[in-house]
Amino acid sequence: DGGITQSPKYLFRKEGQNVTLSCEQNLNHDAMYWYRQDPGQGLRLIYYSQIVNDFQKGDIAEGYSVSREKKESFPLTVTSAQKNPTAFYLCASGAGVSYEQYFGPGTRLTVT
Amino acid sequence: SQQGEEDPQALSIQEGENATMNCSYKTSINNLQWYRQNSGRGLVHLILIRSNEREKHSGRLRVTLDTSKKSSSLLITASRAADTASYFCATDNFYGNNRLAFGKGNQVVVIP
Repeated sequence: DGGITQSPKYLFRKEGQNVTLSCEQNLNHDAMYWYRQDPGQGLRLIYYSQIVNDFQKGDIAEGYSVSREKKESFPLTVTSAQKNPTAFYLCASGAGVSYEQYFGPGTRLTVT
Repeated sequence: SQQGEEDPQALSIQEGENATMNCSYKTSINNLQWYRQNSGRGLVHLILIRSNEREKHSGRLRVTLDTSKKSSSLLITASRAADTASYFCATDNFYGNNRLAFGKGNQVVVIP
């Protein structure tokens, strides 16, 4: 999984609680991305950031929030407003859209 | 919404056979990428083909791109059990933003 890490690998939360997923990269990449993966639906983009202190909503940003205070870090918060948060979350980084993306190992979030 | 759509979605082959999967997209692109995902893991980049390229090889992988038909194919030759994975195509320039759009993935099972 290269120089991008996600923690924890498995996360369990009660409904109504906010939870923050960590994503760190040491690849010196400007761009970072958060995807959600559900069975049979491929990857859907939640948020992405092309530079520090800037980020854009993806296709399914509702109920999620991010920050990009450091180049290396792009944490994702799953808020209680997210209706169906149980999923596999993947973080990626890259030099830009014309280049490959490097993915972390993923965090599997289960909310009950 | 997903731009890339792989076809067929599930493929089961014997070790040593070739595996071919297709991807179609709807809008003009700068490049198309293929990724592999082993079960429960992050995605790994396989190959990137630019819109002005028609064919690209990497080891046992061969990718073709037909921009007139807005389609791409990934061929894995002499498959191995270790090739068992899901394969995704991803395209850029979908919204004109700096992001990739992923297809739903092709599940390939190579039987030893």
